[in-house]
Amino acid sequence: QSALTQPASVSGSPGQSITISCTGTSSDVGSYNLVSWYQQHPGKAPKLMIYEGSKRPSGVSNRFSGSKSGNTASLTISGLQAEDEADYYCCSYAGSSTPVVFGGGTKLTVL
Amino acid sequence: QITLKESGPTLVKPTQTLTLTCTFSGFSLSTSGVGVGWIRQPPGKALEWLALIYWDDDKRYSPSLKSRLTITKDTSKNQVVLTMTNMDPVDTATYYCAHSEDGPNFDYWGQGTLVTVSS
Repeated sequence: QSALTQPASVSGSPGQSITISCTGTSSDVGSYNLVSWYQQHPGKAPKLMIYEGSKRPSGVSNRFSGSKSGNTASLTISGLQAEDEADYYCCSYAGSSTPVVFGGGTKLTVL
Repeated sequence: QITLKESGPTLVKPTQTLTLTCTFSGFSLSTSGVGVGWIRQPPGKALEWLALIYWDDDKRYSPSLKSRLTITKDTSKNQVVLTMTNMDPVDTATYYCAHSEDGPNFDYWGQGTLVTVSS
């Protein structure tokens, strides 16, 4: 099972919107609506930001949204803020034998 | 309040077996739909899923590491144990355990423990 493909880096200015893509295959992202997104600040544990493709856990800002088209999932952050600068990882269900596969991560820089 | 904490050696020698314990509170691993997973992250690199154990003792492993991994649970102690055999310097990483429910959504994470593999 290969890792999901994410861009290495994205950047945006405060107030802008950015989108991070996560490309998988018909065996994972394309087959299930079970993509999750994690935010990780340096030296910290990851934090769940989106689950089941587009749902936000309690306490997560509505500036974060998730979507999917075909084999590609996306995380959109609107109204960028300085504290959004972090690494972001996507994760997908890939079947009962391999229930978890992560993406390679994307570093978000807020200019 | 759900909390998880990893414990184990910080340094292991090549070829040794690593044993990590995840001690948790705030949930029961006998509740339907609940799971605990292990994820690692080499310094400066991406997250990598290792293993997942479910409430019904079903176990899943990363295909690339399956031959080296064993995950078990002790419901009475609220602990999940991961063993990894034949450790190598490339296994140097921060190892996290995390709670999941009704799918591969890790909503609560431990603080992580850095394991260094070196002679």
